Amino acid sequence: EPEVTQTPSHQVTQMGQEVILRCVPISNHLYFYWYRQILGQKVEFLVSFYNNEISEKSEIFDDQFSVERPDGSNFTLKIRSTKLEDSAMYFCASSISGASEYEQFFGPGTRLTVL
Amino acid sequence: EDKVVQSPLSLVVHEGDTVTLNCSYEVTNFRSLLWYKQEKKAPTFLFMLTSSGIEKKSGRLSSILDKKELFSILNITATQTGDSAVYLCAVEGASNRDDKIIFGKGTRLHILP
Repeated sequence: EPEVTQTPSHQVTQMGQEVILRCVPISNHLYFYWYRQILGQKVEFLVSFYNNEISEKSEIFDDQFSVERPDGSNFTLKIRSTKLEDSAMYFCASSISGASEYEQFFGPGTRLTVL
Repeated sequence: EDKVVQSPLSLVVHEGDTVTLNCSYEVTNFRSLLWYKQEKKAPTFLFMLTSSGIEKKSGRLSSILDKKELFSILNITATQTGDSAVYLCAVEGASNRDDKIIFGKGTRLHILP
């Protein structure tokens, strides 16, 4: 069964460093999303992406964040200069359509720890 | 292998009906189970359950966890068309000092007027 994959599963970085989190969405899906969950808190929406551009983003997704689909398979989230409060689980999701009746398939997450 | 299984995958009922959504799980070092409602893009948090047998309630929605049988149910009474959404179950656990969260595939609920 097709699934969303994410790498790495866990990344530890120094504050101020750039990180790139990678996701491979399901191959025929067209909409891509990033979410994060700070330990003990709720899942928060970061950004959605369609047709090679951001379609929606939250207040959390500031200038430190960027997303890219560098090739036909990968979808990346870059954090330019990490802060301690960026430590969280980051989930990638994809869906075949952006309409509400189509569910999103979540990846297993990348745990980012910023020291 | 850790997993979260939701059932049914899809459900269509008439307005006013009561529905029960199921979530069963197997996870290392269980911490909590979470229910989300997803209508458009971002899931909306509904409940976090950590203790067995204690019902959490919010309006027409309620949920309970059974840690012995490893499942949770989400009940919605007197359903309304606005309840139409995908309902996601997620389980937090820990393995080898890593925290992990596993999402189920969701139950797609459609309420007919």
